[in-house]
Amino acid sequence: KNQVEQSPQSLIILEGKNCTLQCNYTVSPFSNLRWYKQDTGRGPVSLTIMTFSENTKSNGRYTATLDADTKQSSLHITASQLSDSASYICVVSGTDYLSKAAGNKLTFGGGTRVLVKP
Amino acid sequence: DTGVSQNPRHKITKRGQNVTFRCDPISEHNRLYWYRQTLGQGPEFLTYFQNEAQLEKSRLLSDRFSAERPKGSFSTLEIQRTEQGDSAMYLCASSFVSGGEETQYFGPGTRLLVL
Repeated sequence: KNQVEQSPQSLIILEGKNCTLQCNYTVSPFSNLRWYKQDTGRGPVSLTIMTFSENTKSNGRYTATLDADTKQSSLHITASQLSDSASYICVVSGTDYLSKAAGNKLTFGGGTRVLVKP
Repeated sequence: DTGVSQNPRHKITKRGQNVTFRCDPISEHNRLYWYRQTLGQGPEFLTYFQNEAQLEKSRLLSDRFSAERPKGSFSTLEIQRTEQGDSAMYLCASSFVSGGEETQYFGPGTRLLVL
């Protein structure tokens, strides 16, 4: 069964500090891995996307890494700001482009809730 | 704002009532997805459309749920005879696919509370 597990479930950090979120997956076939940020009461917004051949991708203060051999990814937030308070969801696509139903095979992690305190 | 809109944003209903949600995707997007998200969990796939054709439905989509996308533009999700377990955030996402990678853009969601 395809699964995406994230840790920790939640964390609290002080403004200006760094933190790292973890994602382990067992999705096959693997197409890409995305990190989404979801503010409370809003829909998820894509932060980064990585394919099998990429092992790091940055978007401002967010840096994602991918180890496709161990099926692990991390999201590092540098110099956290109050606006970083949100849930961060790891999403793995097992898209099979030969399938008519390609594109819908997303497996979502449960998310990590980050609270940045002043 | 991703360009995907959903209405209403919040809905409170009594058990047994029917509810209908609407999703307006980004105009040129040919795929539209519906997801359900409960508190503290990631979204779960319900169904998706390629233009007006409904191509896949999850086993989560019981016979009380029906989704339509009649003209390949906006979509509606109807829940009949609502139950308390239907309380969740219902997310819509759209994408444009013509081969290659696909990015889904999510709407803000409709939060349903069944009393």
